[in-house]
Amino acid sequence: NAGVTQTPKFRILKIGQSMTLQCAQDMNHNYMYWYRQDPGMGLKLIYYSVGAGITDKGEVPNGYNVSRSTTEDFPLRLELAAPSQTSVYFCASSSGQGLGNTEAFFGQGTRLTVV
Amino acid sequence: GDSVTQMEGPVTLSEEAFLTINCTYTATGYPSLFWYVQYPGEGLQLLLKATKADDKGSNKGFEATYRKETTSFHLEKGSVQVSDSAVYFCALDSGGGADGLTFGKGTHLIIQP
Repeated sequence: NAGVTQTPKFRILKIGQSMTLQCAQDMNHNYMYWYRQDPGMGLKLIYYSVGAGITDKGEVPNGYNVSRSTTEDFPLRLELAAPSQTSVYFCASSSGQGLGNTEAFFGQGTRLTVV
Repeated sequence: GDSVTQMEGPVTLSEEAFLTINCTYTATGYPSLFWYVQYPGEGLQLLLKATKADDKGSNKGFEATYRKETTSFHLEKGSVQVSDSAVYFCALDSGGGADGLTFGKGTHLIIQP
């Protein structure tokens, strides 16, 4: 049972480049989330989705875009990478309404460095 | 807005020592409270949770009691092991809505043999 799978695990980008962080879950969860984790800080919500075709902004959405064409996949797009986007990115999913009511499952993270 | 404050780390203890990691929160309403653990190189895993005042969450020897009067949810373990070395995050969900959890900054715990 794979759970939540993120790819790639590591990536170095140059300023201005674009990339997509992939996230897939095989648990048929409706709710999916993208967080970033900066050193010494907690996790900040970037975007979330309550089902296929529905996405919404979190606390720190600037510089990112998402799509949710299927229940399984929730990719995060960086269009013009900036050094401020250097971080560890986590994708999460849950079955119930929000992470407060049911257990959230997290991927292993993508460590992104923008130089 | 909602916020979670955790004690700063790293916290370094010897094996079999008693552990307390403090967590206090600010939230509207009656939030649910969580502790997540992140082992090296891995994502976060739910450790325990409590959904109402005076509830005690417990798992793997860890415990935390939801104290509404002190707005706290301190994590405790009676005898830590080297395998408990990880980063621990306190988090809250204030409304059960779809927009995720509010996390503290995390506390890095190091257990020495």
